Amino acid sequence: EVQLLESGGGLVQPGGSLRLSCAASGFRFSSYAMSWVRQAPGKGLEWVSAIVGSGGSTYYAASVKGRFTISRDNSKNTLYLNLNSLRVEDTAAYYCAKGLDSSGHYFGVGMDVWGQGTTVTVSS
Amino acid sequence: QSALTQPASVSGSPGQSITISCTGTSSDVGAYNYVSWYQHYPGKAPKLMIFEVNNRPSGVPDRFSGSKSGNTASLTISGLQTEDESHYYCTSYTTSSTLVFGGGTKLTVL
Repeated sequence: EVQLLESGGGLVQPGGSLRLSCAASGFRFSSYAMSWVRQAPGKGLEWVSAIVGSGGSTYYAASVKGRFTISRDNSKNTLYLNLNSLRVEDTAAYYCAKGLDSSGHYFGVGMDVWGQGTTVTVSS
Repeated sequence: QSALTQPASVSGSPGQSITISCTGTSSDVGAYNYVSWYQHYPGKAPKLMIFEVNNRPSGVPDRFSGSKSGNTASLTISGLQTEDESHYYCTSYTTSSTLVFGGGTKLTVL
């Protein structure tokens, strides 16, 4: 069964840092681009970041560029998101999602497998 | 990158058809055929319903269909069922090599 399991969320003060992880199973992890998508309380879905299958290229939303870093360890089938300089407005459920395209290059085609999410709360 | 524009809510009766629009620009929806639609129940993982404008993943009923004209994409659900009541989001790849979501539409099945 194809599965994604996020972890690492929690309560952090403004300006603080967190590292989210997403453990993948049931598919050839290195063959697929991966994304992080978040949903703030009462708001819609927002794409955060993506990384190609090899890890060689990364992409970010303007709202997090320079503060968040996406990475992956294909030997561990794990996706990461380092969150730095956190702001109150970063409070959200963070989902990892698997890209549909099996070439590993294109994250824009669609995201066909999603985790259940991990919650990040930024508050003093 | 501004969010794509979706109606906040739509409604229909069981058996009817509804259409949800998703309006972007020539830098996103109008630039590529990389428009996807997701169904999202609160607290659950989003589910891919349509990819590349009009393709359905296996397991998605053929009651769900997608289309695009210019800078506007659409999701049509025919033969509405009560379990279709959910939130629906469109998303598009952009010329800036990013993804942008729509604001989401709450579908109520009356």
